[in-house]
Amino acid sequence: GQSLEQPSEVTAVEGAIVQINCTYQTSGFYGLSWYQQHDGGAPTFLSYNALDGLEETGRFSSFLSRSDSYGYLLLQELQMKDSASYFCAVNRDSSYKLIFGSGTRLLVRP
Amino acid sequence: DTGVSQDPRHKITKRGQNVTFRCDPISEHNRLYWYRQTLGQGPEFLTYFQNEAQLEKSRLLSDRFSAERPKGSFSTLEIQRTEQGDSAMYLCASSIEGRSGRITDTQYFGPGTRLTVL
Repeated sequence: GQSLEQPSEVTAVEGAIVQINCTYQTSGFYGLSWYQQHDGGAPTFLSYNALDGLEETGRFSSFLSRSDSYGYLLLQELQMKDSASYFCAVNRDSSYKLIFGSGTRLLVRP
Repeated sequence: DTGVSQDPRHKITKRGQNVTFRCDPISEHNRLYWYRQTLGQGPEFLTYFQNEAQLEKSRLLSDRFSAERPKGSFSTLEIQRTEQGDSAMYLCASSIEGRSGRITDTQYFGPGTRLTVL
């Protein structure tokens, strides 16, 4: 089978840094993506890692360790608008279809 | 780009009725994906097209579901004889191979069609 595990909820204070972890077990692995989804909205792409290491995009960074089947999303200088659900998703093969985790609900408090 | 659009945004139907949803991808995108999302869960893959060819269907896609992309542009997803378990958000996403220059295509999601089966 295949599974992605991430915490269900995380709470943090405005201006702080938060890390959302994701461990995966899939048959085949091309890369790990991160998506943000506000309530009632569409998932929007944040970041992608195919190789080990850190990818930085503004306030968001994503890390991957293929040997550990582990990745994380790091959000810095948290803003209230960052309150949303965050999903890790695996690209398993050349179809590039995404296998999503169940999501982490981030609540940013003032 | 105007983004991925989906129509309708909301659909309420009675059990046993047929429904059809439409997705218009970003114009130059050759790949189109359908996902289903229920409350508190991540999207689940249903099917995908490369141009007009349907290349893969999930086991979630029972024989009551059919999807088409007749001219390699817009796509339709039809559900026949709807059941209450079909109630979900149906998301469409599109991508273009190789545009990002990376190994993966970035998928752009539409706003979804929320289906409620009574």
